[in-house]
Amino acid sequence: SQTIHQWPATLVQPVGSPLSLECTVEGTSNPNLYWYRQAAGRGLQLLFYSVGIGQISSEVPQNLSASRPQDRQFILSSKKLLLSDSGFYLCAWSVQGSYEQYFGPGTRLTVT
Amino acid sequence: DAKTTQPTSMDCAEGRAANLPCNHSTISGNEYVYWYRQIHSQGPQYIIHGLKNNETNEMASLIITEDRKSSTLILPHATLRDTAVYYCIVLRNSGYALNFGKGTSLLVTP
Repeated sequence: SQTIHQWPATLVQPVGSPLSLECTVEGTSNPNLYWYRQAAGRGLQLLFYSVGIGQISSEVPQNLSASRPQDRQFILSSKKLLLSDSGFYLCAWSVQGSYEQYFGPGTRLTVT
Repeated sequence: DAKTTQPTSMDCAEGRAANLPCNHSTISGNEYVYWYRQIHSQGPQYIIHGLKNNETNEMASLIITEDRKSSTLILPHATLRDTAVYYCIVLRNSGYALNFGKGTSLLVTP
């Protein structure tokens, strides 16, 4: 069966510090991968998606970036965090072309 | 993708059926209705989806009206663990983005 892992579960970082969140998927090949953010009291916002290694599409311009160095690994990064980057970050995967997306447990990021 | 309208919140007694409505009057012929839910502090969970026919799986049933302008998600025997925000999303079966709106906050009470 497929599983999706995210770490860390929680993170507190000062403004201006770098960020790296990692997501890995097991039990499937060539998945679509997604990064979402949910700010407090708000809906989910798609940040990035990837249909293959090295292929990243950005949905919202911001100071975040994403990379996919391996088929089942998706990384969300920032060089300098802003207060507005606080939120609940979720990684998800799907079979190519499907809207059945399966989400990881999330990382709760607080920028202080 | 068509816009959806859902009630902000609903209550349901434990053991009873929870019927969550969704209006999607601008849905087009090639758009699917998807339902997800999000339990507090967890990632969203896929529930079910359909195009025209009613669908049932181990979690829920999806009833789509004949004109496809609205649908109802049915949890046949709600439990306390079903307390969550339920999202109705209408999408063409291509592309990538799931745009979650505000959803319906379902509270299942003892």
